[in-house]
Amino acid sequence: GAVVSQHPSRVICKSGTSVKIECRSLDFQATTMFWYRQFPKQSLMLMATSNEGSKATYEQGVEKDKFLINHASLTLSTLTVTSAHPEDSSFYICSAEELSTDTQYFGPGTRLTVL
Amino acid sequence: GQQVMQIPQYQHVQEGEDFTTYCNSSTTLSNIQWYKQRPGGHPVFLIQLVKSGEVKKQKRLTFQFGEAKKNSSLHITATQTTDVGTYFCAGPLLHGQNFVFGPGTRLSVLP
Repeated sequence: GAVVSQHPSRVICKSGTSVKIECRSLDFQATTMFWYRQFPKQSLMLMATSNEGSKATYEQGVEKDKFLINHASLTLSTLTVTSAHPEDSSFYICSAEELSTDTQYFGPGTRLTVL
Repeated sequence: GQQVMQIPQYQHVQEGEDFTTYCNSSTTLSNIQWYKQRPGGHPVFLIQLVKSGEVKKQKRLTFQFGEAKKNSSLHITATQTTDVGTYFCAGPLLHGQNFVFGPGTRLSVLP
């Protein structure tokens, strides 16, 4: 079946640095990818919708200058957490939609820890 | 490796009929969450179950978490056309960092 990968799976960084997380659809093309954030013991919270070749659509309360999303190709979307702070520490998950089957596939997630 | 399965993959029902989807994990989960994705939309959180054997209801939806915290079910009574969508189960592994999703059950409701 279709697979979505995320890289890295875990990252620890210092406060003030930027971190890039990649989301790839490995064997299908995805014009739309979603980025979620999950706080401990809580549900996924949609951050933004990433559309290939156009600007991402951010949910209310999500800073677009803080969380930069680039969907440069039909198989890759990146989320960059800029000037990370400890409160950005979280679990970030992406999902990708396979257009031909209208099926959603989730990545395994990236655990970000900001010291 | 860790795996979460959902059955059935697809379900077509007549409006008014009941519907159940089952979620089975190969590994114990800390909790189970259910999400619904409407056609053209993104998955939206429905509910979270934490305790072994827990049962929760939301109007016509009944959610259950198995005693071993490896399986769960979502039951919809008297389906309506607004119930159409894909239902995902998901949860964090009991021992580990990963959050795993089931592949989803796609529900079609015929009027």
